[in-house]
Amino acid sequence: SQQGEEDPQALSIQEGENATMNCSYKTSINNLQWYRQNSGRGLVHLILIRSNEREKHSGRLRVTLDTSKKSSSLLITASRAADTASYFCAWRPGGATNKLIFGTGTLLAVQP
Amino acid sequence: EAGVTQFPSHSVIEKGQTVTLRCDPISGHDNLYWYRRVMGKEIKFLLHFVKESKQDESGMPNNRFLAERTGGTYSTLKVQPAELEDSGVYFCASSQDLLSSGNTIYFGEGSWLTVV
Repeated sequence: SQQGEEDPQALSIQEGENATMNCSYKTSINNLQWYRQNSGRGLVHLILIRSNEREKHSGRLRVTLDTSKKSSSLLITASRAADTASYFCAWRPGGATNKLIFGTGTLLAVQP
Repeated sequence: EAGVTQFPSHSVIEKGQTVTLRCDPISGHDNLYWYRRVMGKEIKFLLHFVKESKQDESGMPNNRFLAERTGGTYSTLKVQPAELEDSGVYFCASSQDLLSSGNTIYFGEGSWLTVV
């Protein structure tokens, strides 16, 4: 299976704290992306990091990528209640494929 | 600019019935994808269209699922006959170019299917 894993499966924090989610994948990749899904809603693209990049920032989001360990992490700083959602990493495997493989997701709950 | 739109947003059908999900991609996007998340599990790829052609249908679970994209615009995903394990959310997505060029893929809100 090409599926990867995310941990933790669930994370509960207080507003203002930082949240860190980890993603591990199994194949070589071209790039890795993070998505958010609010309850009952669609997937929203957050950030993309290419395989030759090690770190990327976007607002309160910081993504790291370690291709030697086949892992990525998403850090949300100064969390807000509105950040409550499921977060998924997804990657496009290397080779002639155009599909995304998704991680298992982390359910983040930010308590006000 | 309108995003990826899906219809219906929610559907409840009985086992053995047929359901057809529709997806309208972002205008001008040649690439259209179907994904699904069943039973709270991972989001899994179903298939990929480039215009009206099926580029990759390796994720289609079985022959009860039929996807079409006549004319290369909107797409439909038909489940016939529906089984209990088909319950979940079906996402459609589109992109302007192939993902190899680093383009973002845009997802719709999903069609939430419940088979009872």
